[in-house]
Amino acid sequence: TQLLEQSPQFLSIQEGENLTVYCNSSSVFSSLQWYRQEPGEGPVLLVTVVTGGEVKKLKRLTFQFGDARKDSSLHITAAQPGDTGLYLCAGEGFGNEKLTFGTGTRLTIIP
Amino acid sequence: GAGVSQSPRYKVAKRGQDVALRCDPISGHVSLFWYQQALGQGPEFLTYFQNEAQLDKSGLPSDRFFAERPEGSVSTLKIQRTQQEDSAVYLCASSLGVYRGYGGNQPQHFGDGTRLSIL
Repeated sequence: TQLLEQSPQFLSIQEGENLTVYCNSSSVFSSLQWYRQEPGEGPVLLVTVVTGGEVKKLKRLTFQFGDARKDSSLHITAAQPGDTGLYLCAGEGFGNEKLTFGTGTRLTIIP
Repeated sequence: GAGVSQSPRYKVAKRGQDVALRCDPISGHVSLFWYQQALGQGPEFLTYFQNEAQLDKSGLPSDRFFAERPEGSVSTLKIQRTQQEDSAVYLCASSLGVYRGYGGNQPQHFGDGTRLSIL
């Protein structure tokens, strides 16, 4: 059972377009992480957001943590084929190191 | 390399056989985690160790699953009497393990996983 729901589950867009992926939960997390996973590889950490309302930018990627620390979004500007992959959000609980992963968003950027 | 290493990368077993999956964490990492990832889904937590102590095994699906880390370094995930629903990618991750309190833990570094197929 996964407590973090991501939407959309699949997204296929043209190169150069913008997109947003959402990560929602009814649970509060101490922090939220975003990962990208390529086929046959493990997830690779992109960013950690910690404070409610926090916004972090990583080149063309913008990450936001919701004010109530229950949800997050990932916005990609001018998507490129290299952005293709499985995007995963993951929440950290309080007082432990266990990660709860989201259901995943499979993104395909068409050249 | 200096990353988390998992072996074997692929494992095919017949239903009812026992399997053992190995994880070599990054040197010096205190915490070690096992996750199960079904096809097309996000990883799900199985268990985690701090050094040799298994602090949380709440995610293990049944008593057929057993994990150990006897010397606080290499870990083995064992599945007994495998069933078809055990087919998945098993991911291992390690971290420095120092809980920083409010503001997030040390990041987890993932291996490339073992893809287990039960026939």
